[in-house]
Amino acid sequence: GESVGLHLPTLSVQEGDNSIINCAYSNSASDYFIWYKQESGKGPQFIIDIRSNMDKRQGQRVTVLLNKTVKHLSLQIAATQPGDSAVYFCAERRRASGGSYIPTFGRGTSLIVHP
Amino acid sequence: EAGVAQSPRYKIIEKRQSVAFWCNPISGHATLYWYQQILGQGPKLLIQFQNNGVVDDSQLPKDRFSAERLKGVDSTLKIQPAKLEDSAVYLCASSLPPWGTGRNSPLHFGNGTRLTVT
Repeated sequence: GESVGLHLPTLSVQEGDNSIINCAYSNSASDYFIWYKQESGKGPQFIIDIRSNMDKRQGQRVTVLLNKTVKHLSLQIAATQPGDSAVYFCAERRRASGGSYIPTFGRGTSLIVHP
Repeated sequence: EAGVAQSPRYKIIEKRQSVAFWCNPISGHATLYWYQQILGQGPKLLIQFQNNGVVDDSQLPKDRFSAERLKGVDSTLKIQPAKLEDSAVYLCASSLPPWGTGRNSPLHFGNGTRLTVT
């Protein structure tokens, strides 16, 4: 079925390196995407979002890239810090069977930053 | 602004017992969501409210799960009777404008209730 998925379940990087977390989506009608960070014992925390009429959006140390041709989303984190260690989820705005729009999450990627 | 509040933080029950979770969304947020997050997986939407009406509950196991948002603010999620596979973190989230109107905004999550069914 249609779903949001992630290529790599675990990503290990050294402090100071740049990190890239990938997400594939299969619903070509999805028009809004969000990246979340979830630390242990906490709820997901909003990082950045992007609409389908954009290819790129930048925040503080983070950049989201959207490639609608191949239905691929990525989150780039510059100068990764130990505090960035968490599980990262992408979510898409997807039309449910009943016709309403619902936020649907992928499985997540665990980012481990080594000092 | 105050975030999404959830209680209790943890709950341990035996199978076939009942349990209820409470959520208070961010003030002014009309849309409220309940998600189930099983360990190692992404959150799965159970039910979405717009004010006090249900927008989507297609993934809610209605034979045992129920949710309400009577006054369009606080919400409760109930499980009766609980099964072992209900062990998970139950997350509540809220957002300002309703999804589906062309106006999108991110969801803001609470820290969840961790349920263990033994």
